[in-house]
Amino acid sequence: QVQLQQSGPGLVKPSQTLSLTCAISGDSVSSNSAAWNWIRQSPSRGLEWLGRTYYRSKWYSVYAAFVKSRIIINPDTSKNQFSLQLKSVTPEDTAVYYCARGPAVLDPWGQGILVTVSS
Amino acid sequence: QSVLTQPPSASGTPGQRVTLSCSGSSSNIGRDNVNWYQQLPGTAPKLLIYTNNQRPSGVPDRFSGSKSGTSASLAISGLQSEDEADYYCAAWDGTLNGWVFGGGTKLTVL
Repeated sequence: QVQLQQSGPGLVKPSQTLSLTCAISGDSVSSNSAAWNWIRQSPSRGLEWLGRTYYRSKWYSVYAAFVKSRIIINPDTSKNQFSLQLKSVTPEDTAVYYCARGPAVLDPWGQGILVTVSS
Repeated sequence: QSVLTQPPSASGTPGQRVTLSCSGSSSNIGRDNVNWYQQLPGTAPKLLIYTNNQRPSGVPDRFSGSKSGTSASLAISGLQSEDEADYYCAAWDGTLNGWVFGGGTKLTVL
């Protein structure tokens, strides 16, 4: 049974970088059949897919157009986890952030972390 | 606003059958499968239906899904109080090259 455990700070200052980690158990971040996603949810914007990373003989990362200039999703094979970095955050980036396994179905999801962008 | 369109609210009485709708376009629902999620307050979305009409293990057969053209539906029969939750549809969008979601339907059991 695959489980995803998220970690990271719940408060980030404007203009700084939001950093979260998603630890995987029951699967491998290097799996040739999985894809590892980040999604966020806010009352004003709903559910938004941010991007994913996956391994198919080499590593790929794909990002949503609206955050492409600010986002990095990286695998960490030594710890079997993957991370999200979102740069230059503003209060509009305040949301609950989730990680989830794909590719054909987003399942399971991590528990979610509320990240507030505020000084 | 969300790429997929869902009515913001729906309601029913215990034992009733309710149907929730999700409307998309040829770049998402029209070309790919639809998944449905149930979200209880303060928790992560839980997969309810995948590949249009498949139930994961443990999901009661009271929940069923269907898809036609660029629209999809989630039906809940024998409505129970525990079904009160937010329901979201999701599909891959080939033009945006990413997952898109509906805005969610808040189901109230009267």
